[in-house]
Amino acid sequence: QKEVEQDPGPLSVPEGAIVSLNCTYSNSAFQYFMWYRQYSRKGPELLMYTYSSGNKEDGRFTAQVDKSSKYISLFIRDSQPSDSATYLCAMSARADNNNDMRFGAGTRLTVKP
Amino acid sequence: NAGVMQNPRHLVRRRGQEARLRCSPMKGHSHVYWYRQLPEEGLKFMVYLQKENIIDESGMPKERFSAEFPKEGPSILRIQQVVRGDSAAYFCASSPSRGEAFFGQGTRLTVV
Repeated sequence: QKEVEQDPGPLSVPEGAIVSLNCTYSNSAFQYFMWYRQYSRKGPELLMYTYSSGNKEDGRFTAQVDKSSKYISLFIRDSQPSDSATYLCAMSARADNNNDMRFGAGTRLTVKP
Repeated sequence: NAGVMQNPRHLVRRRGQEARLRCSPMKGHSHVYWYRQLPEEGLKFMVYLQKENIIDESGMPKERFSAEFPKEGPSILRIQQVVRGDSAAYFCASSPSRGEAFFGQGTRLTVV
């Protein structure tokens, strides 16, 4: 079993839809949870960063962490064609430890106009 | 302020040749990380370096792979005697300290 599981999709939605992206994990030591967005042929860029359980909102994006279920989500409201990208979840046990991060495989999202 | 620069963007090597991947971190960043991304797989950490020091190489294969970050110049990831299984996208990231790392655009290595 992989440490971090993420459905690779692809996921296709119409413009304006609410998108839900999810990851599950097995390591209960993970405390820090990240979502990265990766456009085609580009490097990942950090989108959201959360610590422990709870919600965090930033504009149209909301990150949720449920540590009891070992389940994290990213919601995108009013999705736009510019949101079309691959979304990678990542997590680590220690703060700011880029060498400890474990990534999901990424979910490819297409938002159709 | 230029971002993390990786070159070349694409690299084709025949089996048995050497591949050298370069990464120039963002200005002011002294921490460099290398990751490998295979199709349908997430990023996998390979090595973490600071200037002239390897801090963590736990993700790097013991054979054929090496990395350096000299006092002057870019960080280099070197793969000797490449095999087909080395074909992947290699990403470099840099950070000023232990904070957020910024990724380069990657080098896509194809071994033929």
